[in-house]
Amino acid sequence: GPKVLQIPSHQIIDMGQMVTLNCDPVSNHLYFYWYKQILGQQMEFLVNFYNGKVMEKSKLFKDQFSVERPDGSYFTLKIQPTALEDSAVYFCASSEGTGVAETLYFGSGTRLTVL
Amino acid sequence: AQKVTQTQTSISVVEKTTVTMDCVYETRDSSYFLFWYKQTASGEIVFLIRQDSYKKENATVGHYSLNFQKPKSSIGLIITATQIEDSAVYFCAMREDNYAQGLTFGLGTRVSVFP
Repeated sequence: GPKVLQIPSHQIIDMGQMVTLNCDPVSNHLYFYWYKQILGQQMEFLVNFYNGKVMEKSKLFKDQFSVERPDGSYFTLKIQPTALEDSAVYFCASSEGTGVAETLYFGSGTRLTVL
Repeated sequence: AQKVTQTQTSISVVEKTTVTMDCVYETRDSSYFLFWYKQTASGEIVFLIRQDSYKKENATVGHYSLNFQKPKSSIGLIITATQIEDSAVYFCAMREDNYAQGLTFGLGTRVSVFP
């Protein structure tokens, strides 16, 4: 099936530093998403992004978070500054269309550890 | 608010047999979409099958099928003729008409298939 690639697979950083997580979505997909999964908990929606703009974000999407996709390159999630509670696996997803029925395709996640 | 519950934490089965996983959901919407995903040992999340709430017939894809019981807000996943490579964590997810919020996931059920 369609593949979403995430780089890197693991990232370890010190609290207060900036981190950028990269996502290469499926080539013809227009909608992009970030989800966060803390160990042992459910995967939770953070934000979705379309046509250069944030469409919707959850309360987990703190002010320290930002997303962008400059000129069709990687779809990125930036956290600046990071906090201990940001340690989690972050999953990127993309979908082709705009409808609620659209299937999301996920990457393998980036495991972020904040020390 | 939407909620997805998977009560089974883990299931072990012998290969070539059938495994059934439960999932119940809560929603106020009359139209919604239900999905099952599989997360492999490598972390890859793979879309398996979906059920649209307005369809009465149960979805079937390959050796995956769904047991959709709308009055009970239940969407069980059935895997027939299991194989060792079906060992994974299976997530149930729901998407409501407010598509921008993306998917609401359950906690997942770990399936182990033994020879």
